[in-house]
Amino acid sequence: AQKITQTQPGMFVQEKEAVTLDCTYDTSDPSYGLFWYKQPSSGEMIFLIYQGSYDQQNATEGRYSLNFQKARKSANLVISASQLGDSAMYFCAMREGNTDKLIFGTGTRLQVFP
Amino acid sequence: DGGITQSPKYLFRKEGQNVTLSCEQNLNHDAMYWYRQDPGQGLRLIYYSQIVNDFQKGDIAEGYSVSREKKESFPLTVTSAQKNPTAFYLCASTSGMGRRNTEAFFGQGTRLTVV
Repeated sequence: AQKITQTQPGMFVQEKEAVTLDCTYDTSDPSYGLFWYKQPSSGEMIFLIYQGSYDQQNATEGRYSLNFQKARKSANLVISASQLGDSAMYFCAMREGNTDKLIFGTGTRLQVFP
Repeated sequence: DGGITQSPKYLFRKEGQNVTLSCEQNLNHDAMYWYRQDPGQGLRLIYYSQIVNDFQKGDIAEGYSVSREKKESFPLTVTSAQKNPTAFYLCASTSGMGRRNTEAFFGQGTRLTVV
């Protein structure tokens, strides 16, 4: 069965610093996709970045990058130059193979301070 | 603009009553999902549907039911069998059918409270 683990319930980072949010996953399917979402206090889910299991390079989207280590089954999100508006819950998610089942981790609450 | 609409935003239910949460999308997406989120916790999958007239149970389907009679609509019924229904419910959709790199689009959520 597929599984997503986020071991950091909360993280603090100073404004303009970089922060890494951890995510490990477990699947027996060689074909899968990994996603990161941001959830502000308003509750909406905002898509940040995607990494496919066959992608050779780590994904990047602006200040977001995904540190994909396939052998270790980890897909950590790196946020560079943190901003106060980055304070939110962050969720790692995975979709396995050709199914459309999309599961999420328990999330990490990031707080950025001045 | 294309998107997903959930209604209502807030819903109050008396114990023992069934209640239906609406989810409509105009993105022409094949797959739709329902998630439950409890305070400070992650999203848990209730049901998902890859195609019209078909749906699969997620990890916490007990006490819930769904239908998918139209591609655009995926309503969720919280039945009286659900013992702890107070939660935030999110509906999502994706292009589906093996397109793994497609992001899931989410509605704004429905906050259900049992009174």
